[in-house]
Amino acid sequence: QQQVKQSPQSLIVQKGGISIINCAYENTAFDYFPWYQQFPGKGPALLIAIRPDVSEKKEGRFTISFNKSAKQFSLHIMDSQPGDSATYFCAPLYAGGTSYGKLTFGQGTILTVHP
Amino acid sequence: NAGVTQTPKFRILKIGQSMTLQCTQDMNHNYMYWYRQDPGMGLKLIYYSVGAGITDKGEVPNGYNVSRSTTEDFPLRLELAAPSQTSVYFCASSRGQISTTPLHFGNGTRLTVT
Repeated sequence: QQQVKQSPQSLIVQKGGISIINCAYENTAFDYFPWYQQFPGKGPALLIAIRPDVSEKKEGRFTISFNKSAKQFSLHIMDSQPGDSATYFCAPLYAGGTSYGKLTFGQGTILTVHP
Repeated sequence: NAGVTQTPKFRILKIGQSMTLQCTQDMNHNYMYWYRQDPGMGLKLIYYSVGAGITDKGEVPNGYNVSRSTTEDFPLRLELAAPSQTSVYFCASSRGQISTTPLHFGNGTRLTVT
């Protein structure tokens, strides 16, 4: 059962454009919604995260939008830069109970920003 | 600070061989994790530990073993390597539960089993 579906699989954007990556989930118990960024040859790193009590969170050029009724959340990268070229993963989590490390990763989106 | 350090970076194993992937962190984190990442896929949790002497299975533990004798070290043992264990392995640590504190990942070990 695929609990988390990420789209698109790959995305090409021109410098200065807006990159949008979507994540759809099935488990309504999820209550923590992070996005991780991974550069080639490196481990993932937490980029931004949101809790379901807010619909949007912005940190610099990165924004998460959360739609609880649609069971979706998305990552928006404004003014995309070549340095943003990386693989992005959504990884929602149920923070209650024995949730240690049990992020449910999406398949990843390879973002390429052309100069 | 070095953060999370994994060794080796690359390794080729023959079917049936064994090896230990090393992971050490210098941030005094209680929580440590092992993930594997297959091509085109997200990461899957193999084992985790909430402190020295305490370990538990994750989503895909079969074929692996771990130990946690110190806060700093969390080695992953592969017994009788199989081609299905060809993957990139990431060790991670966190100060607390990952819903409140970020995960810190190492740079991975790329393992090929032939």
